[in-house]
Amino acid sequence: DVKVTQSSRYLVKRTGEKVFLECVQDMDHENMFWYRQDPGLGLRLIYFSYDVKMKEKGDIPEGYSVSREKKERFSLILESASTNQTSMYLCASSFRDRGGGGYTFGSGTRLTVV
Amino acid sequence: QKEVEQNSGPLSVPEGAIASLNCTYSDRGSQSFFWYRQYSGKSPELIMSIYSNGDKEDGRFTAQLNKASQYVSLLIRDSQPSDSATYLCAVNRIKAAGNKLTFGGGTRVLVKP
Repeated sequence: DVKVTQSSRYLVKRTGEKVFLECVQDMDHENMFWYRQDPGLGLRLIYFSYDVKMKEKGDIPEGYSVSREKKERFSLILESASTNQTSMYLCASSFRDRGGGGYTFGSGTRLTVV
Repeated sequence: QKEVEQNSGPLSVPEGAIASLNCTYSDRGSQSFFWYRQYSGKSPELIMSIYSNGDKEDGRFTAQLNKASQYVSLLIRDSQPSDSATYLCAVNRIKAAGNKLTFGGGTRVLVKP
């Protein structure tokens, strides 16, 4: 069963901590994405990557960075966690060029920063 | 104007009725269109994709696309309480480097027994 796996379902971190969210996909997708989802604000793109070591900023990259050292893995890093980064974080992946196919999402990580 | 617009709802539908969800988009270059279902606290799940004008049916779901009018719709026939969820519309303008979807805010659907 093909899937996108996020390392943690729930996380609680303290303000100022460096936080790593990991995402792994087994579908040989070129594209990987990180979104956050908040009530009333919908899905907001943080960063995406269309190839190993490639990254592009999304709509809300401030306070975040990413790493893609291998095709199957895309990491989101919160350099210094703040309470306004409390959110549901969703990883997704897709093929780059095959007719513009849809995304497959991971199950999400609900992060609480206290 | 938002790139992809949906009525946030809630859309209340009696069990067994047809739920009709609409989505409009602003980019005339959009080429691929998707509907995702998201249950509360869960991640979005792809339920329909449509690429050309007209209707596409899959079980109780029908997606309709009209590129001239820039809208895409989703019909859910014989609605069941298990269809209660938020439905996200997403569109894609395929670029040379990437395949990036733009999502609407979602329509919340409530199916009442």
